[in-house]
Amino acid sequence: EAQVTQNPRYLITVTGKKLTVTCSQNMNHEYMSWYRQDPGLGLRQIYYSMNVEVTDKGDVPEGYKVSRKEKRNFPLILESPSPNQTSLYFCASSLRGGFGEQYFGPGTRLTVT
Amino acid sequence: DQQVKQNSPSLSVQEGRISILNCDYTNSMFDYFLWYKKYPAEGPTFLISISSIKDKNEDGRFTVFLNKSAKHLSLHIVPSQPGDSAVYFCAASAPAGGYQKVTFGIGTKLQVIP
Repeated sequence: EAQVTQNPRYLITVTGKKLTVTCSQNMNHEYMSWYRQDPGLGLRQIYYSMNVEVTDKGDVPEGYKVSRKEKRNFPLILESPSPNQTSLYFCASSLRGGFGEQYFGPGTRLTVT
Repeated sequence: DQQVKQNSPSLSVQEGRISILNCDYTNSMFDYFLWYKKYPAEGPTFLISISSIKDKNEDGRFTVFLNKSAKHLSLHIVPSQPGDSAVYFCAASAPAGGYQKVTFGIGTKLQVIP
C-alpha cells in the first residue's frame, strides 16, 4: 500500500529539548516536504527536498532542520523547540513536486511547553 | 500576504444539493491548481486538479472551474453527500527554481447535513 508514515503521532515536550519527527514514504518519490498547520493560517511549508541531499527552505523554516540521506526518509529536526512551534505537522511526498498530487502522512501533533 | 485565499471558513449544505467552495489567488505565476480534502485526525488527500490552460476539470461528482481573468477557482460537488463533510484546501503552484512551489489556502470546512 502506497503510504507516508510519520512518527510519533503525538508528542508533548519541553522548551529546548531536541526532538526529531520521522517521515518515510514507500513510493520512490523524489520530492518530499514538511508543512505545519495552524488555525487561521492553513498549511505552510517548512522545508522541502527535491532529491537525496537536496533540500531547501520553505516559507517558515526558522527553528527547523531537515536532512535527506535516503530517498525514502525525510526527518524534521527541532534543535531547541519553543512554544511557538506547537502545531500539527504533516510530511508529504510526490512524484513531480507541485505538479500532481502530494501524498500526506497522518500528521504529528506537537506540543511544546 | 496570502496568495491563496479561501474567504469562507465554513459552509453548510443539505445532502443532495450542490456544494460550491471558492478560492481566489493573487499570484499570476500560478499555473497549476489543486484541491485537497482533510478529515479530522488524518492527513490531507488529493481530490482534483486543473492546469492553467484549462477552465474546467471534472471527476465524478467533483468539478473544478478556473477563471484566470478573475484569478478565481471553485470546486463544485454534486450531489453533496454526508461523507463529503471535511475541510477543503485550495492549493496553487508556480515554477520556482526547478520545481513547482505549492501554496495552500487556509481551508473551508464543509458540513453536509443529512
